[in-house]
Amino acid sequence: GAGVSQSPSNKVTEKGKDVELRCDPISGHTALYWYRQSLGQGLEFLIYFQGNSAPDKSGLPSDRFSAERTGGSVSTLTIQRTQQEDSAVYLCATEKRVDYGYTFGSGTRLTVV
Amino acid sequence: AQKITQTQPGMFVQEKEAVTLDCTYDTSDPSYGLFWYKQPSSGEMIFLIYQGSYDQQNATEGRYSLNFQKARKSANLVISASQLGDSAMYFCAPAVGAGSYQLTFGKGTKLSVIP
Repeated sequence: GAGVSQSPSNKVTEKGKDVELRCDPISGHTALYWYRQSLGQGLEFLIYFQGNSAPDKSGLPSDRFSAERTGGSVSTLTIQRTQQEDSAVYLCATEKRVDYGYTFGSGTRLTVV
Repeated sequence: AQKITQTQPGMFVQEKEAVTLDCTYDTSDPSYGLFWYKQPSSGEMIFLIYQGSYDQQNATEGRYSLNFQKARKSANLVISASQLGDSAMYFCAPAVGAGSYQLTFGKGTKLSVIP
C-alpha cells in the first residue's frame, strides 16, 4: 500500500485480556518500529526490527509485551494480560532511508477498562 | 538516561509571524541526525525536517528551518510565516544509536496560531 496501515484503529478490551495490534508496512521499507503515546505525552520507543537482524526489544516495558515481524513485512504487537496503564495510542513506523524520516501509521488507540 | 527537553509546553504565535520552537538533548551524539515531527489534532505524525549530524549547513524545508548548534546540543525549529494549519504538537527527536538507531522523542510543544 501507499502508507503504513495499522489495525484495528480502536480497541477496547477488558483488563486481563490479551490483545494483538497489527502493522502493515510500506513495501520496501526494511526498518519497522513500534512506539506508544500515552495521553498528552511524547512517544515512547518499544521495539525495532531491521531486516533479518534480531529485533531491538530494549523499550518493551514488561514481559507482557512481545512483537514479531513475519517475512520482513507485517508486524504484530501482542500485549498479554492487559492493564489499565497499557491504555495508549500504539504507533507503528517504517523507514526506507534515515534522511527520509519515519513514516507513521495512524495508530491503534487501546483502551483497557 | 537520554533526555530531550522542549522547554515550551505551549506557545502562541500570530498568523504570518515567525516562531521558534526550542529543543535541547542530553543524549550521546546523534550520529544519525535529528528530526522534527508535527502532530495535528488528528493524531497523525508528520515528518517535517531532518538535520544530518555532520551537515555543515542548517537544514531548510519550505517554511521550516533548523537552527542546529551541535556543541550546545540544541536544534531549534523555526517556522516562518505561520499559518492556521500549523497549529499542532511539535516533537523534536534525535536519532541515536550505533549501527542501527531509534528516535527518542521529547514531550513536545503545542503551537497555537492565532488569526
